[in-house]
Amino acid sequence: GAGVSQSPSNKVTEKGKDVELRCDPISGHTALYWYRQSLGQGLEFLIYFQGNSAPDKSGLPSDRFSAERTGGSVSTLTIQRTQQEDSAVYLCASSNTGGTNYGYTFGSGTRLTVV
Amino acid sequence: GNSVTQMEGPVTLSEEAFLTINCTYTATGYPSLFWYVQYPGEGLQLLLKATKADDKGSNKGFEATYRKETTSFHLEKGSVQVSDSAVYFCALVKWAGTALIFGKGTTLSVSS
Repeated sequence: GAGVSQSPSNKVTEKGKDVELRCDPISGHTALYWYRQSLGQGLEFLIYFQGNSAPDKSGLPSDRFSAERTGGSVSTLTIQRTQQEDSAVYLCASSNTGGTNYGYTFGSGTRLTVV
Repeated sequence: GNSVTQMEGPVTLSEEAFLTINCTYTATGYPSLFWYVQYPGEGLQLLLKATKADDKGSNKGFEATYRKETTSFHLEKGSVQVSDSAVYFCALVKWAGTALIFGKGTTLSVSS
């Protein structure tokens, strides 16, 4: 597709359940990023994938959070044993890293509500 | 580590007023600087960018100048419109393709 696609757009889950959020980046973009947007916290960086390199996981808030990127394309962010403080909008972005290209494209996000 | 600090909002202005949203950064080396905008109900969009010191980014009447001496990238617009009401995020990146680091965002509300 032409843009970054995220699914589902909305997810309501019970506290303690696991959730998976999906991101489909722009075809050919080698880098993929996950962010969390919550009130008062702005946009928090979570994790970053670049090609075949080991991901930069420095922003993951706890070991309940993990992410995979299969075949250098689709990525899944998994939150285990969800807590109410995990409620937020999770944004995915992708970019083409050639030269000084700064073309980061963001998806519309998944709004996660933990009840 | 790298970080971005921007003025807290909300900023409330009347139409045609002058806008400044302050942004300062902490980073080693020479990061690139960005302003992103999020209109109500929409996704995050790049507004403007500057990739080296003294560069001025501009778009839709908004401007920001990369000031290395003050580590700042303040966003300005001479005459705001109601349609400019949105959340504005200042961000930096060390190298192309690495993760953007964002400030917490500033909500702008413009009334007619």
